[in-house]
Amino acid sequence: DARVTQTPRHKVTEMGQEVTMRCQPILGHNTVFWYRQTMMQGLELLAYFRNRAPLDDSGMPKDRFSAEMPDATLATLKIQPSEPRDSAVYFCASGTGLGNSPLHFGNGTRLTVT
Amino acid sequence: DQQVKQNSPSLSVQEGRISILNCDYTNSMFDYFLWYKKYPAEGPTFLISISSIKDKNEDGRFTVFLNKSAKHLSLHIVPSQPGDSAVYFCAAASGGSYIPTFGRGTSLIVHP
Repeated sequence: DARVTQTPRHKVTEMGQEVTMRCQPILGHNTVFWYRQTMMQGLELLAYFRNRAPLDDSGMPKDRFSAEMPDATLATLKIQPSEPRDSAVYFCASGTGLGNSPLHFGNGTRLTVT
Repeated sequence: DQQVKQNSPSLSVQEGRISILNCDYTNSMFDYFLWYKKYPAEGPTFLISISSIKDKNEDGRFTVFLNKSAKHLSLHIVPSQPGDSAVYFCAAASGGSYIPTFGRGTSLIVHP
């Protein structure tokens, strides 16, 4: 059963440190999404890639966040420097990009910034 | 401004009864709607969807109803089971781009 894999599952870091979250999308999927889950906002879209090209990162704080896809099997989300307000669960999802096929989510990275 | 709203943060239902989860949207361009289910420490998983050309879609115990004029959809679970206890996210997308916008979720608890 194909799955989206996210690492690490948990990350605790101090304010000011760099955080890198990784995602391996399902093989053959050509769309990748980064979402952040918070109590106040629910699931917020941070970035969206199609065929490895970033198409929408309007939801991402540009000064500290960056998202890349170095290759088709790896997507990364970096925060530098991290702040306590970045504490949340970050989800990666991938999809086929065909019609309205649903997204497949990873199990998330729970980030705590102290 | 939330384009997809789930105004009930939580819902408690007795096993065997009907669970009704509601969702409202503001963007009239949305034409495809999905429900995802999320257990603790896991990612959301797709549950059921509906296109704007329909007003009802059924899959086993789960039925989604769409009222386009009211910009409202609902998920009915009949009968509810304890294993249905989870957070349910409503999502909406507009044709072509397919970037789903999610609501804040409703936490459903089904009591035995």
